[in-house]
Amino acid sequence: EVQLLESGGGLVQPEGSLRLSCAASGFTFNSYAMTWVRQAPGRGLEWVSTLTGRGGNKFYADSVKGRFTISRDNSKNTLYLQMNSLRAEDTAVYYCAKDKWELPGPLDHWGQGTLVTVSS
Amino acid sequence: EIVLTQSPGTLSLSPGERATLSCRASQSVSGNYLDWYQQKPGQAPRLLIYGASTRATGIPDRFSGSGSGTDFNITISRLEPKDFAVYYCHQYGTLPWTFGQGTTVEIK
Repeated sequence: EVQLLESGGGLVQPEGSLRLSCAASGFTFNSYAMTWVRQAPGRGLEWVSTLTGRGGNKFYADSVKGRFTISRDNSKNTLYLQMNSLRAEDTAVYYCAKDKWELPGPLDHWGQGTLVTVSS
Repeated sequence: EIVLTQSPGTLSLSPGERATLSCRASQSVSGNYLDWYQQKPGQAPRLLIYGASTRATGIPDRFSGSGSGTDFNITISRLEPKDFAVYYCHQYGTLPWTFGQGTTVEIK
């Protein structure tokens, strides 16, 4: 059974940093792209970033480019999102999702999300 | 950026009725790389349809997807109580990948 467990969320001040983790199990982690999607309170879904299975290609939304870094440790079956220079508008539940293929595609499994609140 | 516009914003229907949700793209979706997700309150989204018309694993056949280019639909043939939720379309054909704003299917 595929399981994705996010951690690392919390309250952070504007301009602060936070690193999210997503521990994956139940599938061959390095064979699939992985994605972060966020959802601000009461709002819709927003794609944030995707990393291909072997980590060779990274993709970012313009809203986070230059501030967020996606990475993965295939030996630990873990996906990361390093978030720097955080802003109030980054406040959201951050979901980790498994892509259906090694390259970016449909998101066929999702974690339960971790809440990031950016506030002074 | 491809903007996905979903309509209607809210659909009020009764169990057993047919629901048709629309997703219109501001430009053609490459490869028809368009999928649909269902989200219930307090839960993560769930993949329903990918490639515009292929049902994801375990999705019942009352859900069907159609369309190509810029116009896509998802149809729920006979609504069950558990189908009342928010539905999002999503394109992954052209960067940046984008979601629609969602359609709420509520009980009438």
